[in-house]
Amino acid sequence: QQQVKQSPQSLIVQKGGISIINCAYENTAFDYFPWYQQFPGKGPALLIAIRPDVSEKKEGRFTISFNKSAKQFSLHIMDSQPGDSATYFCAARTGNQFYFGTGTSLTVIP
Amino acid sequence: DAGVIQSPRHEVTEMGQEVTLRCKPISGHNSLFWYRQTMMRGLELLIYFNNNVPIDDSGMPEDRFSAKMPNASFSTLKIQPSEPRDSAVYFCASAGRGGSNEKLFFGSGTQLSVL
Repeated sequence: QQQVKQSPQSLIVQKGGISIINCAYENTAFDYFPWYQQFPGKGPALLIAIRPDVSEKKEGRFTISFNKSAKQFSLHIMDSQPGDSATYFCAARTGNQFYFGTGTSLTVIP
Repeated sequence: DAGVIQSPRHEVTEMGQEVTLRCKPISGHNSLFWYRQTMMRGLELLIYFNNNVPIDDSGMPEDRFSAKMPNASFSTLKIQPSEPRDSAVYFCASAGRGGSNEKLFFGSGTQLSVL
């Protein structure tokens, strides 16, 4: 059973556009929600993360929006660049265990 | 810091053979995770160690899979016998320097192909 549901599976965006990836969860024990970025041939790397006591976290062009009541969170990439082309995973933590979504393959077209 | 080191990077084997994947976590980290990545299921948690002790192995697919962590600097994931459906990328990750367990550091993964 997938603990964290992620959509879309793939996304194509024009350079300069906004990329939006959505995730949903059911387990209210989750207390930390990171996003990981993975380039081909590499392991995932932490991009940005949020705790459930805030509704938004912004770091440069990357923003997480968090809706605790709806148990949903999303990643927004503003002014998307070709270098952002990668696979993005949302995740959720309970205790010391992390559960990942199925990933979104983002392609930014020049 | 060299990061999480996994070996081999690629492994091609025949069905029925034993496969051993290796991981060296970042020094000082006290948590170690094995994940499997496939197109269909994304990143699946297989097993999680804390202070070298297996805490949760409920993600291990079946008895053909086993994992050990004999010391703080080494872990193995073994598949015996291997099957074609085991073909995937296997990642090791560590966390926990200084008590912080919020950031996972992943290795570069082992691409396993079982023919």
